Amino acid sequence: TQLLEQSPQFLSIQEGENLTVYCNSSSVFSSLQWYRQEPGEGPVLLVTVVTGGEVKKLKRLTFQFGDARKDSSLHITAAQPGDTGLYLCAGARFGNEKLTFGTGTRLTIIP
Amino acid sequence: DTAVSQTPKYLVTQMGNDKSIKCEQNLGHDTMYWYKQDSKKFLKIMFSYNNKELIINETVPNRFSPKSPDKAHLNLHINSLELGDSAVYFCASSQGRGVVQYFGPGTRLTVT
Repeated sequence: TQLLEQSPQFLSIQEGENLTVYCNSSSVFSSLQWYRQEPGEGPVLLVTVVTGGEVKKLKRLTFQFGDARKDSSLHITAAQPGDTGLYLCAGARFGNEKLTFGTGTRLTIIP
Repeated sequence: DTAVSQTPKYLVTQMGNDKSIKCEQNLGHDTMYWYKQDSKKFLKIMFSYNNKELIINETVPNRFSPKSPDKAHLNLHINSLELGDSAVYFCASSQGRGVVQYFGPGTRLTVT
């Protein structure tokens, strides 16, 4: 059973367009993270959100944690080829040190 | 100055062999992890050590045995390799049992 489902699984868009990636669960998380992974490398942490309803911005990337702490979204404005990669959300449950990773979204930005 | 390093980067071996993957971190963290990423890119935790003590041991075949000689190192030994063990194995570290984890570059294991 996948605790964290990401959608879409694959996304290919033109440079300059906007996009949103979703991370959904029926479980409540104490915090949620987003990572980007490029081919041949390990995941790199982009952001951690810890408060329900929290919004964090990282340049053209906007991350939101759902009010009920069960879901999150990543919005990219004016996508660039450098945004290409595998985006992974990961959640930590209360009282559990283990990170559960989402199913991943493979994003391709076409120049 | 690599924060989390793994060796080897690539490992190709035959079924039935025994192999080891090494991980070292120079971040001063006290917690280290092994993850397995399958062909569909799903990343799943296998083990975690905090101050050389095993704290997470997921449902992993006992052919996999982690060893942490000190806080900066976490090695993974795999006995009697099977085709299904083919994957990319990532080492990660964190300070305390925190969720902010730093990942190594991965070891791509191919069992033929």
